[in-house]
Amino acid sequence: QVQLQESGPGLVKASETLSLACTVSGGSTSLYLWSWIRQPPGKGLEWIGYVGHAGKTNSKSSLRSRATMSIDTSENQVSLTLSSVTATDTAVYYCARHGRTKRGHIYNFHFYMDVWGKGTTVIVS
Amino acid sequence: SFVLTQPPSVSVAPGKTATITCGGDDIGSRSVHWCQQKPGQAPVLVVFGDSDRPSGIPERFSGSKSGNTATLTISRVEAGDEADFYCQVWHSNTDEGVFGGGTKLTVL
Repeated sequence: QVQLQESGPGLVKASETLSLACTVSGGSTSLYLWSWIRQPPGKGLEWIGYVGHAGKTNSKSSLRSRATMSIDTSENQVSLTLSSVTATDTAVYYCARHGRTKRGHIYNFHFYMDVWGKGTTVIVS
Repeated sequence: SFVLTQPPSVSVAPGKTATITCGGDDIGSRSVHWCQQKPGQAPVLVVFGDSDRPSGIPERFSGSKSGNTATLTISRVEAGDEADFYCQVWHSNTDEGVFGGGTKLTVL
């Protein structure tokens, strides 16, 4: 059973860069899409961006200039960096795997998140 | 920007049926997915592709769509169903994910 575990500094100073990792166990990062989602205290979910097995990536337009995502298949990790953070970036950050089906030799990648990590709290001071 | 609209709260008595709606422009042409988030926990997918259930999700949870409104229906509601529910779509034009604002389900 695949499990995701986010990790990061917990506390980041304003204007600095936040770096988070999501370690995948019980499965592979290969041939999947991976999203990062965050949730400010007491608020709803906000999609940040995704990265795919072939390096394809995109992020929410309002975060695109600051957010970078990558995959390290050798380490079985997915990463997020967010530059120039402010207090509004304070949130619980989740990584999530996208659903995938297979028909014959063809993979179909879906845009719902079927496995989530437990999340990691980031406070910007 | 693309917006999904959910009611902030829904209340239901145990054993009754809860309905949570999600509205948005052109939602009829998009796949709608739903996740449940209990307090202090990560979200869990409960419906994908408008009406499909992941393995392990009770049949009491069902999804449907009509026009520009998607609906999550929870039958025979239990106290343990109390949670926040979020709808989600993928905006293919911009290749971005979008979540609704969330609905807090209270079991009376």
